[in-house]
Amino acid sequence: AQRVTQPEKLLSVFKGAPVELKCNYSYSGSPELFWYVQYSRQRLQLLLRHISRESIKGFTADLNKGETSFHLKKPFAQEEDSAMYYCALSGNNDMRFGAGTRLTVKP
Amino acid sequence: ETGVTQSPTHLIKTRGQQVTLRCSSQSGHNTVSWYQQALGQGPQFIFQYYREEENGRGNFPPRFSGLQFPNYSSELNVNALELDDSALYLCASSFRGRREQYFGPGTRLTVT
Repeated sequence: AQRVTQPEKLLSVFKGAPVELKCNYSYSGSPELFWYVQYSRQRLQLLLRHISRESIKGFTADLNKGETSFHLKKPFAQEEDSAMYYCALSGNNDMRFGAGTRLTVKP
Repeated sequence: ETGVTQSPTHLIKTRGQQVTLRCSSQSGHNTVSWYQQALGQGPQFIFQYYREEENGRGNFPPRFSGLQFPNYSSELNVNALELDDSALYLCASSFRGRREQYFGPGTRLTVT
């Protein structure tokens, strides 16, 4: 079954600390993985996609097929990173989202 | 470039009624997907439309139906509303062949 799991509903770190948001998936095939972010009072927006292997706003995510994970990382969190983060898996003509992790970066 | 727009912003319906939600795709996009997001949960895939035909469907009953028009705008129709249909309904557009999707602000539906 196609599934995305984000084990942490809430994550709180201090400004300047490293942050890692976990995402595990199950899918029989070659999925595309994404991270979406929703800042307060804004719409859901694309942050990263695994195929582009890019760094956006200091965030990176590596697809680990062996562990079926796609964790989102940033070495030094900023207060403006506080938001809701969703991991998503795109299969055949659909997209499955995890339940999301609310990240709070404290000053 | 115009982003994804949705209407109305929010509405209240009574159990058993029918509702139609509307979405305009981002310019240049030809594929539309609809999601239901209940409070505290991630978006749940309802269905996707491409070339005015349903192209993929999640685990939602047939009373959830949709349309896509030649200008790529779309409607989501829900018949026989139930209390559990209360949620934020999101529309997302994309270009066929590219899987990243761009979301609208959503329509908040409350069923009483």
